[in-house]
Amino acid sequence: QVHLVQSGAEVKKPGASVKVSCKASGYTFTDYYMHWVRQAPGQGLEWMGRINPNSGGTRYALKFQGRVTMTWDTSITTAYMELNRLGSDDTVMYYCARARPGPDYAFDVWGQGTMVTVSS
Amino acid sequence: QAGLTQPPSVSKGLRQTATLTCSGNSNNVGDEGAAWLQQHQGHPPKLLSYKNNNRPSGISERFSASRSGNTASLTITGLQPEDEADYYCSAWDSSLNAWVFGGGTKLTVL
Repeated sequence: QVHLVQSGAEVKKPGASVKVSCKASGYTFTDYYMHWVRQAPGQGLEWMGRINPNSGGTRYALKFQGRVTMTWDTSITTAYMELNRLGSDDTVMYYCARARPGPDYAFDVWGQGTMVTVSS
Repeated sequence: QAGLTQPPSVSKGLRQTATLTCSGNSNNVGDEGAAWLQQHQGHPPKLLSYKNNNRPSGISERFSASRSGNTASLTITGLQPEDEADYYCSAWDSSLNAWVFGGGTKLTVL
């Protein structure tokens, strides 16, 4: 059975960084991109970017370029998303979601979400 | 980044049919089609269909998707109480080189 299990909730101060992990199991890790999507409380979904665990290639949404880094460790089938220079509007739920490569395929398995709270 | 447009809310009666819409442009919905996701309160989204009307295994045939031009639609037949949720459309935008989402439609089953 396919699972994506994310790290636990985080509380960070403004200006700090946060690194969220996403442990994949039940499928071949390198066959799927790992995307990161975030959602503010009561709001819609926002795509942050994705990583190709096969090549290490990344693509980030324009809004987050320069502030986000997506990495992976194939040996432990885990993807990471690090967001720097946190502000209060980064207080949202962060999800990882896998998808096959290409625009035809959408996010078919999601992690449970990681709540990040930015507060002084 | 520009997103897709969905009506904020739709209300329908039990066992009725609901059609949710998602408007984009020729760089996203009109080009690559749309995917649909369902999200219940406090849970991650769940994929209902992708590339207009491909359903992942385990998704009920009551959910069907289509596209006409730059507008995608999700039709849910025989509405059940458990269908009450938020529904999001998503598409790859070839001009932005990014995935974009609609703002979501809250479906209420009366």
